[in-house]
Amino acid sequence: GAVVSQHPSWVICKSGTSVKIECRSLDFQATTMFWYRQFPKQSLMLMATSNEGSKATYEQGVEKDKFLINHASLTLSTLTVTSAHPEDSSFYICSARQGTGGPQHFGDGTRLSIL
Amino acid sequence: QKEVEQDPGPLSVPEGAIVSLNCTYSNSAFQYFMWYRQYSRKGPELLMYTYSSGNKEDGRFTAQVDKSSKYISLFIRDSQPSDSATYLCAMKERGGSNYKLTFGKGTLLTVNP
Repeated sequence: GAVVSQHPSWVICKSGTSVKIECRSLDFQATTMFWYRQFPKQSLMLMATSNEGSKATYEQGVEKDKFLINHASLTLSTLTVTSAHPEDSSFYICSARQGTGGPQHFGDGTRLSIL
Repeated sequence: QKEVEQDPGPLSVPEGAIVSLNCTYSNSAFQYFMWYRQYSRKGPELLMYTYSSGNKEDGRFTAQVDKSSKYISLFIRDSQPSDSATYLCAMKERGGSNYKLTFGKGTLLTVNP
């Protein structure tokens, strides 16, 4: 149980392109979803927290107009990197939590490469 | 001082060894403690989830929490090459709808056949 699916797993695109990443909880309803960014050999850095039907809460230093988050249903959240540039290249990982308690379950991440 | 300290390693052990991974923390409000395993180019996988001091065992894995010392450990018995991964400790406070995880930097473990 507690499977989180993230798609795509890898995307390469040109600078200036917008990229959408999907995060789905497959066998549970996720009240809250989280988006992280991870650089090589570093730990996860929280970008934003989203509750279903509400606006996302962004961490300090994360541009909300750059990283658009939509959590339209209890099983789907999307992260759109708008007008991506090479410095946005990274490993993006989502997680989902059922209810207000309990652990977070992570997707397998999306490797984003901007040329 | 960072909220969560974790030795990044790398840690290399022979197959069959007992592995001990540790984290210390400074925030006494942390009440929930987790260990995640992350293989290269994959998302973290939850191994253990505890909220009280003491030991919790699951197969070859034992999580230990000592809240008085602000110290948590993960023990792996009879380690296997497939255990080779980065192990992340994580913790969170009680209460609030968006309470966040605070991660350690992760310890890279290699189990040699």
